Amino acid sequence: GQQLNQSPQSMFIQEGEDVSMNCTSSSIFNTWLWYKQDPGEGPVLLIALYKAGELTSNGRLTAQFGITRKDSFLNISASIPSDVGIYFCAGLQAGGTSYGKLTFGQGTILTVHP
Amino acid sequence: ETGVTQSPTHLIKTRGQQVTLRCSSQSGHNTVSWYQQALGQGPQFIFQYYREEENGRGNFPPRFSGLQFPNYSSELNVNALELDDSALYLCASSLRGRRDRVTSGANVLTFGAGSRLTVL
Repeated sequence: GQQLNQSPQSMFIQEGEDVSMNCTSSSIFNTWLWYKQDPGEGPVLLIALYKAGELTSNGRLTAQFGITRKDSFLNISASIPSDVGIYFCAGLQAGGTSYGKLTFGQGTILTVHP
Repeated sequence: ETGVTQSPTHLIKTRGQQVTLRCSSQSGHNTVSWYQQALGQGPQFIFQYYREEENGRGNFPPRFSGLQFPNYSSELNVNALELDDSALYLCASSLRGRRDRVTSGANVLTFGAGSRLTVL
């Protein structure tokens, strides 16, 4: 099935460093979401974006909805050990038959060394 | 506020068997979506249930079917299991109003912890 192109696939960083990951698509999306998934758990919503160009922050997290509506990025500042996990972008395409059908990226595995 | 709960958490089946997975939606939510997450991949949309009817389906064969009950809980049934059906099955709930457009915030899903299915 279709997935968003998410990069990088994995990151190994030192505690305190900033992190950036992004998602791109050949299709236009009207909503972009960023989720985090810990082992043995379901994805948990971090940030939701609803308008092209929108920049939204949630604590140390900042995400932007690309102007072209085909991309989004997530930044994490001053990383801490509990940021470890898998981060997924997800998008919702326009269209009356697509209600609730999120398309997910492949995920970015984040490892933070103390 | 009760979150999304799924059962069982883990199960093992053999090829050709049938399986039923269950989901209780978050309190106040009326819509349930099911996703399949293969190892190392992002979740893939299977289908969504709203007002006890299937309301949107991903690229999955008919042997994947579901139900939604009046209390908004849901079941996912998979017949004739294949090895590739081994995955984490995630249930997610949301609140949809009658006038919600496709792009409304009601598409923000709350996920359960999933049911890990292994097909041998």
